[in-house]
This record gives sequence, C-alpha cells and structure tokens, in this order.
Amino acid sequence: QVQLQESGPGLVKPSETLSLTCTVSGGSISSYYWSWIRQPPGKGLEWMGYIYGSGSADYNPSLKSRVTISVDTAKNLLSLNLRSVTAADTAVYYCARHSAGWFGELTNWGQGTLVTVSS
Amino acid sequence: MVMTQSPATLSVSPGESATLSCRASQSVSSNLAWYQQKPGQAPRLLIYGASTRATGIPARFSGSGSGTEFTLTISSLQSEDFAVYYCHQYNNWPPWDSFGQGTKLEIK
Repeated sequence: QVQLQESGPGLVKPSETLSLTCTVSGGSISSYYWSWIRQPPGKGLEWMGYIYGSGSADYNPSLKSRVTISVDTAKNLLSLNLRSVTAADTAVYYCARHSAGWFGELTNWGQGTLVTVSS
Repeated sequence: MVMTQSPATLSVSPGESATLSCRASQSVSSNLAWYQQKPGQAPRLLIYGASTRATGIPARFSGSGSGTEFTLTISSLQSEDFAVYYCHQYNNWPPWDSFGQGTKLEIK
C-alpha cells in the first residue's frame, strides 16, 4: 500500500519561499499523476498543481507565477516550492496520488502538513 | 467548471440516512468522486466513477448520478460518519475548480 508523507517547515516568514517535500513509499512515483492541494484553516480544498511521474507539470493560474512542482524519481520524492508567500498562504498542504495511469480520482493522500506564514 | 454541493450543512440523527448532492455546471459523465474528511485528517476517497466504492468503504455509502447531478447517500448513519464531504470531478480540464465546496454532515 503506497504511503505519502509531507515534510517541511511549519513556519515561513512573509515574502520567503515555502518548500515542502512528499516522500512516497510502497510504490513508484513513475507512471502516476501527483497533485499538491492545500486547505486554509476552516476552508475548502484548493488545487495548486500537478505533475506526472516523468516530470511534466501544470499549475493553478492563481498561483502560476509563484509555484513549482518537481519530482525526483530516484528518491521517490515530490517537491513543492511556493515563492513570495503571504498570510493568505497559511494552510494545510497535502500531496496526493491519482488513480493508476490517468488524472483520475485521488486514491492516496498524505496526512498533510500545516504551514503558517507569519513574521 | 463549477461544482456546487448542497446543502452546506446537513443535520441528521444517528441511525438515519443522509443524502448529499453535487451538481456540475457541465457534464462530467461518470467521472466523479466523493471524499470524506474528518477534523485534523486528510480527505479519504469514498466513491469514484460516481458509484464505485473505494477499497474498504462500507456498503452504507452509495453514490449515484451521471452528467451533472450526483448524490452520495449514507444509510444508517454511524457516529464516525459525521464529517465534511467533498465531490470532485475529473472529467473536464482544467482541474483547478474540480472540488465542490463541501457539505458538513453534523449530528442532529
């Protein structure tokens, strides 16, 4: 059973870069779509972007100029970088895997990591 | 593409049934999923393909619908079923607005 684990700093200062990793165990990162989704406190789910195991990524236009998603297939790692953060980027950040072979339902999620943007 | 869930909050007594709705602004065929999220936890996949239960999901959860109208029905509500439920369409591109805003199922 594949498991996903997000990690990274829980506190980031305004204007800095938020960097998170998602360690994938129990399965290969290749041949799947992976997404980063965030959830501000008390609010709904916001799709940030996705990447295919080969490295082709796309981003939510609302974040496009600030976000980068990448994969390291050798280490089975998924990464998220969000630049120039503000308090509005305070959220729980999730990595998730789509169903096998296509951009379908999200079958596996990490437990999420809370990132607070504050000085 | 807009996914609209109703109601925003649903109050139901344990043992009763709950019906949650999700409407898509354009057809998504049967490419719709439902997730359950409990406080402090990640969403969990319940239903995909509009009506197929994910692995390990109890039979009291059922999904129906196609096109633009979908329903999640939970029969004989258990205490652990009170949570927030999200629908998600994966038929149309782009995916950025693919989630509904959620329905909170609370104990009456």
